[in-house]
Order: sequence, then structure tokens, then C-alpha cells
Amino acid sequence: AQSVTQLGSHVSVSEGALVLLRCNYSSSVPPYLFWYVQYPNQGLQLLLKYTTGATLVKGINGFEAEFKKSETSFHLTKPSAHMSDAAEYFCAVSESGGSNYKLTFGKGTLLTVNP
Amino acid sequence: DTGVSQNPRHKITKRGQNVTFRCDPISEHNRLYWYRQTLGQGPEFLTYFQNEAQLEKSRLLSDRFSAERPKGSFSTLEIQRTEQGDSAMYLCASSFSGDRYEQYFGPGTRLTVT
Repeated sequence: AQSVTQLGSHVSVSEGALVLLRCNYSSSVPPYLFWYVQYPNQGLQLLLKYTTGATLVKGINGFEAEFKKSETSFHLTKPSAHMSDAAEYFCAVSESGGSNYKLTFGKGTLLTVNP
Repeated sequence: DTGVSQNPRHKITKRGQNVTFRCDPISEHNRLYWYRQTLGQGPEFLTYFQNEAQLEKSRLLSDRFSAERPKGSFSTLEIQRTEQGDSAMYLCASSFSGDRYEQYFGPGTRLTVT
């Protein structure tokens, strides 16, 4: 069984400040890890993913995340927040070696960016 | 590539009525997923199709729920005898076996059961 914990249901930052959204996972097999963003009344958009290889992955809109196996973490960062980053962010895990690649999501973190 | 589309976008129904949602995946995608998202929660997996075959169903998918994907193209999700607890956003996603990790999500159908 796999699970995802996102620490902080709501994070508020100032425009230009560092964004850090935390994600810890539990998986019995090597995981595939994802961050998705959801804007109001829209579907989910993939920001970035880790499957194999380099543990620091870069995504769209200046976001990046680092897979740390020893800490079972996959935190999302962005050096400088922009107003357009305000949205809900979901961390997700999928089991490697599985056949359906279904996603297990965390509860989400709502990011607010203050001017 | 027009992306994943879902219809209707919003549905209000009375308790006990049946509802059906449709998902049109990206045309070359052979994998299709349904998820349900309730307020304040992340999406939860409901069911998965590869081509026309339904290969996995979550325990969340009670016998009032049925999903189909005839001919491996669009998919429908039907809920019979709706209950207030069925109120949620129903999300469809699709992916291609050649890039099986990345799922593309539609905008969702928001169901309100009164």
C-alpha cells in the first residue's frame, strides 16, 4: 500500500519569496513521484515527475523537487513566488513495477501569494 | 491535440436519480482512469481501463457505480440511485503506454446531489 502526506494544508508566501511545499510518501516498492497543480474549476496539470535517474527534477514554471529516499520525501520548491502561482498543489505517488500506474494523492496544499 | 474533455461540467440532481458522465481522452491514449475528488481532499482512484478492458476497480466503486469504455475510445461513468455522499468532482485522466507515467487530466464533472 502507498500513501502521501502533505504537511500544511495552506501555505502563504509573499511575492518573490521562496516557495516550499512538503510531501512525504510511503511505498513498499520504489516509487514514481509527481506534483500536480490545480487552478480553480480546472483539472490537474502535471508540474514535474520523478521516475528514475537524477533525483533533482525540474518542472514547468520554475518549480523543482528533490527525491530523497532516506527521508521518503519529495518536497516542491520555487526560488521566487509569482502571483500566478496561487493554486492548489497535489503530491502523488505511483508504484513502479505495477501494471496500471494509478496515482495515490495527498490531500493538497493551497498556496496563497501575497503582493 | 485538444486534451481530455468531460461532459457535462456540472450536474445537479436529486437524490435517487441516475446520472451519467462522459470522458473523451486524448485520441491516441489507450489508458483511461476515473478519480473522485471531494472537498478538501486529493483525488481518489476509482477505476482503470486499458483499451476497452476495465482492469481495476477501487473498493470506493460501489455496485451503484458502473463504468464502460466501448471500443476503447470514450468512457462513461454511471451512478445509479444517487446519494448525497456522491457529491464530488469526478475527474478523468488518460495516458499512453509509451509514456505510461504521465496522466493528462480533464476539467472534471462536478456533481451535486440535493
